[in-house]
Amino acid sequence: GQQVMQIPQYQHVQEGEDFTTYCNSSTTLSNIQWYKQRPGGHPVFLIQLVKSGEVKKQKRLTFQFGEAKKNSSLHITATQTTDVGTYFCADPNYGGSQGNLIFGKGTKLSVKP
Amino acid sequence: DAGVIQSPRHEVTEMGQEVTLRCKPISGHNSLFWYRQTMMRGLELLIYFNNNVPIDDSGMPEDRFSAKMPNASFSTLKIQPSEPRDSAVYFCASSPGTLLNTGELFFGEGSRLTVL
Repeated sequence: GQQVMQIPQYQHVQEGEDFTTYCNSSTTLSNIQWYKQRPGGHPVFLIQLVKSGEVKKQKRLTFQFGEAKKNSSLHITATQTTDVGTYFCADPNYGGSQGNLIFGKGTKLSVKP
Repeated sequence: DAGVIQSPRHEVTEMGQEVTLRCKPISGHNSLFWYRQTMMRGLELLIYFNNNVPIDDSGMPEDRFSAKMPNASFSTLKIQPSEPRDSAVYFCASSPGTLLNTGELFFGEGSRLTVL
């Protein structure tokens, strides 16, 4: 099976512009997690989405889970230089294995001041 | 809480040498994960444990890799013999989740391995 696919791989924006990364799966997801990794750092948990069509907000970040639970997105409004890093979506229970967490390849965001 | 503690933070070794990476998970967490991160392959899950028992080691690349969790507060990832293609950042993560609900992962700072 395929891990979750993320697009785009890279995104360069001017500070103040919006940013969106997408995560797609060929199979229905039980839930999905999002992480952020700063350059030189380790992944840090942002959120978990569970319900079909769920939308959650954290300040300038908006997370969505598709109605069919096969896709998810992370949108950042008015990016700041502190948003720089790689954003990963992650699929728990990938391939039917219980308890695991498989990461997508991530979207690397750079923000030009 | 001190968080997940990994050692060493950096290791440079020569091909053929044995490498042992160590991890202390957050106290009370049931699950422990080992990941490898490279530019080419991203974050790969190598193995994970639940209640100290290995659940899935299908991500371990070769027999040269082995992992143990002798108790709830300690895990090791061993590479013997090491090869240059093993150069990567190795992350340990722990979670309070269960097999039915993975839960949030807390990552250590990582061990950067360079094999010459």
